[in-house]
Amino acid sequence: EAGVTQSPTHLIKTRGQQATLRCSPISGHTSVYWYQQALGLGLQFLLWYDEGEERNRGNFPPRFSGRQFPNYSSELNVNALELEDSALYLCASSLNLGPYNTGELFFGEGSRLTVL
Amino acid sequence: AQSVTQLGSHVSVSEGALVLLRCNYSSSVPPYLFWYVQYPNQGLQLLLKYTSAATLVKGINGFEAEFKKSETSFHLTKPSAHMSDAAEYFCAVSEMFSGGYNKLIFGAGTRLAVHP
Repeated sequence: EAGVTQSPTHLIKTRGQQATLRCSPISGHTSVYWYQQALGLGLQFLLWYDEGEERNRGNFPPRFSGRQFPNYSSELNVNALELEDSALYLCASSLNLGPYNTGELFFGEGSRLTVL
Repeated sequence: AQSVTQLGSHVSVSEGALVLLRCNYSSSVPPYLFWYVQYPNQGLQLLLKYTSAATLVKGINGFEAEFKKSETSFHLTKPSAHMSDAAEYFCAVSEMFSGGYNKLIFGAGTRLAVHP
């Protein structure tokens, strides 16, 4: 069974440009989460999608946005890139078990964004 | 809101020595707790999870953790460290939302170094 896949693996942009990162969840998983892992700042929750809807958003400016497609894959867009956006962006997926949800996440390998 | 505190951003042990990584959580309800490991330039891999069954949880690679409600702790241990255990370790608690949804809140991480 394929795990969570992310693309691209590495992306280099300059300040002011836009970046688009993509994620395919594990088959059968309907929830997709995005986390930012910047150097020295741990894992910061960005966005959570389930069944095509944005369910929750972390403390990030509106230039961080995303969407979830009907096949449950997801896209993270970062507009007007700033130097501090340089980070590893991790996507994770989970199975929606209703009242039996535990929150367990399955992570991809990440997309490393470098802003010059 | 739930939160996680990992004591010690860096821990160094000798090969063969006991590994102890500390995690304390804050939760208003019985929590679901997780330990993840991240090897360099990779995503996060689940080590073990506590979902209100046995308080002593065994995971992969010889790791285990004990849930202690009275101490609000979920420390990770391994009796004998191996060089391949060198990685960053994250403790996480599941934040519950209405409708049975969850979101993982991560600690800041502990980088484990193993020296010969």
